[in-house]
Amino acid sequence: AQTVTQSQPEMSVQEAETVTLSCTYDTSESDYYLFWYKQPPSRQMILVIRQEAYKQQNATENRFSVNFQKAAKSFSLKISDSQLGDAAMYFCAAGVGSQGNLIFGKGTKLSVKP
Amino acid sequence: DGGITQSPKYLFRKEGQNVTLSCEQNLNHDAMYWYRQDPGQGLRLIYYSQIVNDFQKGDIAEGYSVSREKKESFPLTVTSAQKNPTAFYLCASSWVAGPDTQYFGPGTRLTVL
Repeated sequence: AQTVTQSQPEMSVQEAETVTLSCTYDTSESDYYLFWYKQPPSRQMILVIRQEAYKQQNATENRFSVNFQKAAKSFSLKISDSQLGDAAMYFCAAGVGSQGNLIFGKGTKLSVKP
Repeated sequence: DGGITQSPKYLFRKEGQNVTLSCEQNLNHDAMYWYRQDPGQGLRLIYYSQIVNDFQKGDIAEGYSVSREKKESFPLTVTSAQKNPTAFYLCASSWVAGPDTQYFGPGTRLTVL
């Protein structure tokens, strides 16, 4: 069975600083995608970034970047120059196999201090 | 604007009643999904559909039913057989069923009175 684990229930960062959220996953499949979603207080799930497992290059999206360590099955999210609007729940997810449903971690609550 | 809509935003149900949550998308996506979110938990898959007139059970399908008569619509019925239906329900869609990006609707909060 595929699993996704987020070991940090809560994190805090000072505005303008950098923070890294951790995620590990377990799958025996070779074809999979990894995602980070943001869920603000409105509860709408918003895609932050995605990484295809076959790509060696780490994905980046403006202030957001990932550190994808395939052998270690690790997929961390780095947020640079943190902003107040980054405060939210962040979920790591894996899309594995032909079914397409995502396997979610339990989330990390990020607080941003002014 | 293309996107996914869910209605209603809030729904209250008396015990023993069936209720239906609406999910519509105009993204021309083939695949659609229903997830349930409980406090302190990630999302868990209830049902998914890869194509019109076809759907599959997810991890927690008991007490729920779905239909997929149109590509744009994937309604979820929460039946009286669902023992603990109070939760936040999210609908999602993707171009294909596979390891692909899923886009989410705004969700429906269901409360059993």
